[in-house]
Amino acid sequence: DADVTQTPRNRITKTGKRIMLECSQTKGHDRMYWYRQDPGLGLRLIYYSFDVKDINKGEISDGYSVSRQAQAKFSLSLESAIPNQTALYFCATSDLNRQIGYTFGSGTRLTVV
Amino acid sequence: GENVEQHPSTLSVQEGDSAVIKCTYSDSASNYFPWYKQELGKGPQLIIDIRSNVGEKKDQRIAVTLNKTAKHFSLHITETQPEDSAVYFCAATPNSGNTPLVFGKGTRLSVIA
Repeated sequence: DADVTQTPRNRITKTGKRIMLECSQTKGHDRMYWYRQDPGLGLRLIYYSFDVKDINKGEISDGYSVSRQAQAKFSLSLESAIPNQTALYFCATSDLNRQIGYTFGSGTRLTVV
Repeated sequence: GENVEQHPSTLSVQEGDSAVIKCTYSDSASNYFPWYKQELGKGPQLIIDIRSNVGEKKDQRIAVTLNKTAKHFSLHITETQPEDSAVYFCAATPNSGNTPLVFGKGTRLSVIA
């Protein structure tokens, strides 16, 4: 089983719909992140959480919300999806020591039509 | 905040040649610099990292160098192989453990057999 699991792997949704992307991890890491990848723009931080009671906005949080349901689960929601949110979304985890860097999931490819 | 510039955006090399990818950062307080490799359809994977108290680090065919004065760091891949073809990301953080990574925009490396 993957250390960081993202569901779904692919999703096509319509403009205006609410959608949730889920991330779960078995690494035992306390820190979790959501990044968005667009061609030519690299990885941009949406939200991050250092523990269950901690939620922080990243560079591009507008139009997104998150929920840290447990240490192992971190969900990203698009309340009303729009076409420019079409992208590849990655969840990542790390621990305080950060000796081994981030562990990324396999990504969710989201298309908003 | 931190800003990371990465060059080139695309790089093609002949198998067996060396490849060099360069990154610059803006925040002189940055102290942790990882490199990630992203293969097609997968999430980024940490391949090597360096901390600000070290000038160079090697791991088999890959090496990273850091010039704190000039605020730049580079990834060197020697004896390139077709399996080295991927997108590579550099990243930096000014407060290891307490500030999320800021990523460069990526370099697509193609190794031609």
